[in-house]
Amino acid sequence: AQTVTQSQPEMSVQEAETVTLSCTYDTSESDYYLFWYKQPPSRQMILVIRQEAYKQQNATENRFSVNFQKAAKSFSLKISDSQLGDAAMYFCAYRSVRGYGGSQGNLIFGKGTKLSVKP
Amino acid sequence: NAGVMQNPRHLVRRRGQEARLRCSPMKGHSHVYWYRQLPEEGLKFMVYLQKENIIDESGMPKERFSAEFPKEGPSILRIQQVVRGDSAAYFCASSPRQSNYGYTFGSGTRLTVV
Repeated sequence: AQTVTQSQPEMSVQEAETVTLSCTYDTSESDYYLFWYKQPPSRQMILVIRQEAYKQQNATENRFSVNFQKAAKSFSLKISDSQLGDAAMYFCAYRSVRGYGGSQGNLIFGKGTKLSVKP
Repeated sequence: NAGVMQNPRHLVRRRGQEARLRCSPMKGHSHVYWYRQLPEEGLKFMVYLQKENIIDESGMPKERFSAEFPKEGPSILRIQQVVRGDSAAYFCASSPRQSNYGYTFGSGTRLTVV
């Protein structure tokens, strides 16, 4: 079974600085998707960035970018120019392309990293 | 275009009562997924439904929990005879047919069992 591990329960960054959140996963599949979700105190799950495993190029969305190392099964999130509004829980998630348990593919989440941004 | 709508946002039930959680997917989305988030945990998959069909319920507890997504109306997650351990945030997500993108989540329902 696939697993997702986030080894940093909490992280802190100074406003305008850069922070990297770690995520590793375990799978025997070669094709899959990886995601980072943000969950602010409002509890809304917000998709931050998405990566297809077959693409070697790292995904980028404005101040958010990933470092995808397929061989190492690592998928870290870099937040540049951190802002106060970036403070939230961040969840890494895995989704099989073919499906898990016969489905179209549910998301498997890590336990999350709580990011604090200091003014 | 409204997002995924979940209600109620907060629900308090006494042990032994029933809880009904509702989810209206985004317009045009026919796939619905339910997830549960326990305190200090990530989200855990419960069930995946399409209209009038349960596609995958491998994450659903075998007893007391059921889900439906009727032809008309919202998807319902039903928990019978709630216990304290059912206290959690329950999230619904939806996607269009064969989406390769991350799902769109609702804001969740926080269930508290007292």
